[in-house]
Amino acid sequence: EPEVTQTPSHQVTQMGQEVILRCVPISNHLYFYWYRQILGQKVEFLVSFYNNEISEKSEIFDDQFSVERPDGSNFTLKIRSTKLEDSAMYFCASSIAGISYNEQFFGPGTRLTVL
Amino acid sequence: GQQVMQIPQYQHVQEGEDFTTYCNSSTTLSNIQWYKQRPGGHPVFLIQLVKSGEVKKQKRLTFQFGEAKKNSSLHITATQTTDVGTYFCAGPRSSNTGKLIFGQGTTLQVKP
Repeated sequence: EPEVTQTPSHQVTQMGQEVILRCVPISNHLYFYWYRQILGQKVEFLVSFYNNEISEKSEIFDDQFSVERPDGSNFTLKIRSTKLEDSAMYFCASSIAGISYNEQFFGPGTRLTVL
Repeated sequence: GQQVMQIPQYQHVQEGEDFTTYCNSSTTLSNIQWYKQRPGGHPVFLIQLVKSGEVKKQKRLTFQFGEAKKNSSLHITATQTTDVGTYFCAGPRSSNTGKLIFGQGTTLQVKP
């Protein structure tokens, strides 16, 4: 069964450093998402992406964040200058279509620890 | 902004007991989705409800969508240890977006 993959599984970085989290969505999916989950809390939407541009972003997704689809398979989330409060699990998800009637398939997540 | 709330936050049950989690949205939803997250895992889609008053069953799991499409529930009959995890409801911000607003989740512990 196709699945979303994410690398690395765990990233430790110093405050102020840049990190890039990588995702490979399911191959025939067109919509891609990033969510984050601070330990013990709910899943929060960050951004959705379609046709090589951002469809929607949340208030969390400020200028420190960017997304990119550098080739036909990868989808990346970059945090330019990490802060302590960026420590969280980051989930990539994909769906066949962007309308809300399609289930989203989540990757296993990248645990980001900012020291 | 739109809020999705879930209760209870935690539930401990003895294996074989029933379990219910409730989800309420501050706005009418076009549909509601349920996800399960095992400890240390990622959210996994369980089901989507679209119609007002809809009821769907998956083996021991029963999902309901309220008549006003603002609330939903998940009921598990005769829990098993494999049911352990956090159950999230999630509603789209609108019918034209994939953005999901998640509830806080209900964490279910099952004692064997």
